[in-house]
Amino acid sequence: AQTVTQSQPEMSVQEAETVTLSCTYDTSESDYYLFWYKQPPSRQMILVIRQEAYKQQNATENRFSVNFQKAAKSFSLKISDSQLGDAAMYFCAYRSENRDDKIIFGKGTRLHILP
Amino acid sequence: NAGVTQTPKFRILKIGQSMTLQCTQDMNHNYMYWYRQDPGMGLKLIYYSVGAGITDKGEVPNGYNVSRSTTEDFPLRLELAAPSQTSVYFCASSSAGGAHNEQFFGPGTRLTVL
Repeated sequence: AQTVTQSQPEMSVQEAETVTLSCTYDTSESDYYLFWYKQPPSRQMILVIRQEAYKQQNATENRFSVNFQKAAKSFSLKISDSQLGDAAMYFCAYRSENRDDKIIFGKGTRLHILP
Repeated sequence: NAGVTQTPKFRILKIGQSMTLQCTQDMNHNYMYWYRQDPGMGLKLIYYSVGAGITDKGEVPNGYNVSRSTTEDFPLRLELAAPSQTSVYFCASSSAGGAHNEQFFGPGTRLTVL
């Protein structure tokens, strides 16, 4: 069975600095996607970035980028120039390409931004 | 567009009571999902639907029922509420299946069963 592990329950970063959130996963499948979701205090889940497993190039969305290491089954999120609005819970998630019932979330990392 | 809306925002139930959590989307999405989020945990899939009239179980379906009579609505029914169902419930929708289609989430319903 697939698993997603986020080993950092909480992290803090100074405003304008860079922070990296870690995520590892386990799977025997070859076709899958990985996601980072942001959950602010409003609770609404917001997709931050996603990565297709078949793509070697790391995904980037403005200040957010990932380091996808397929062989190591690692999928970290880097936030550059951290802003106060980045404070939230961040969830790493795995989803099978071909199965709609298999979506696995990690336990989350709470990110604090220090002014 | 309102996106995905959920009602109620909060609810307290007594053990054994029943209730329906409402979910509506106005994006004409075919796929809809129900998740629960327990304290300190990520989301777990309860049920999903690939279109009106079709529903399937997710990872944690026990104690819940769903129906999908229209494209817009996907209510989640709890028949005999139990303390283990205390959680935050999220509804989501996507235009199609497959991991490449983004899921849009509602704001959640916080349910407490006492």
